[in-house]
Amino acid sequence: DTAVSQTPKYLVTQMGNDKSIKCEQNLGHDTMYWYKQDSKKFLKIMFSYNNKELIINETVPNRFSPKSPDKAHLNLHINSLELGDSAVYFCASSQPGANQPQHFGDGTRLSIL
Amino acid sequence: AQKITQTQPGMFVQEKEAVTLDCTYDTSDQSYGLFWYKQPSSGEMIFLIYQGSYDEQNATEGRYSLNFQKARKSANLVISASQLGDSAMYFCAMRVPGANSKLTFGKGITLSVRP
Repeated sequence: DTAVSQTPKYLVTQMGNDKSIKCEQNLGHDTMYWYKQDSKKFLKIMFSYNNKELIINETVPNRFSPKSPDKAHLNLHINSLELGDSAVYFCASSQPGANQPQHFGDGTRLSIL
Repeated sequence: AQKITQTQPGMFVQEKEAVTLDCTYDTSDQSYGLFWYKQPSSGEMIFLIYQGSYDEQNATEGRYSLNFQKARKSANLVISASQLGDSAMYFCAMRVPGANSKLTFGKGITLSVRP
């Protein structure tokens, strides 16, 4: 029944490794997002896809590459992980429109050793 | 560009009392949506309430209401009859129409409910 689910919930890895986070939504939404929440709890958009098409790419290092195989899935792959990548990454989905709330997954806590 | 300001560093409220969490915003768009989210210590982001820029009535959802003052560009969240489970971080956010319709968040406010 989970509306937006992302895996894994926790990810602990070494600097320099490559890792992926997966996200799936069963709400029938057209748009999906990745947000990053830093250590000070500030949330910032990273990417947005609308029906598999990239529409927002907010000055994120190109080590981060999103992929949307279909409109229900949005994955995030991170190459050559750095200490500064430690954060909580949230997937979200919504319908387009300023009056539409975004529904968030539970987040993936990424810790770089 | 949109901007959300939440300046209260931390709020305390006695159980069963009401509390107001402040939010001011800035945008040049005439049409926009304002949202409040709750993030408990478990980490998930929970959508609470929405207010549209053209809505004449303040939004209400159960114990949550939004005190929308358009001329002052403020959208304060009022929680009535606080419960211990309301202890969390609260984020105000804004969204404008268009393809690049992301949520712009404030820094958040920590609310602690005292028994």
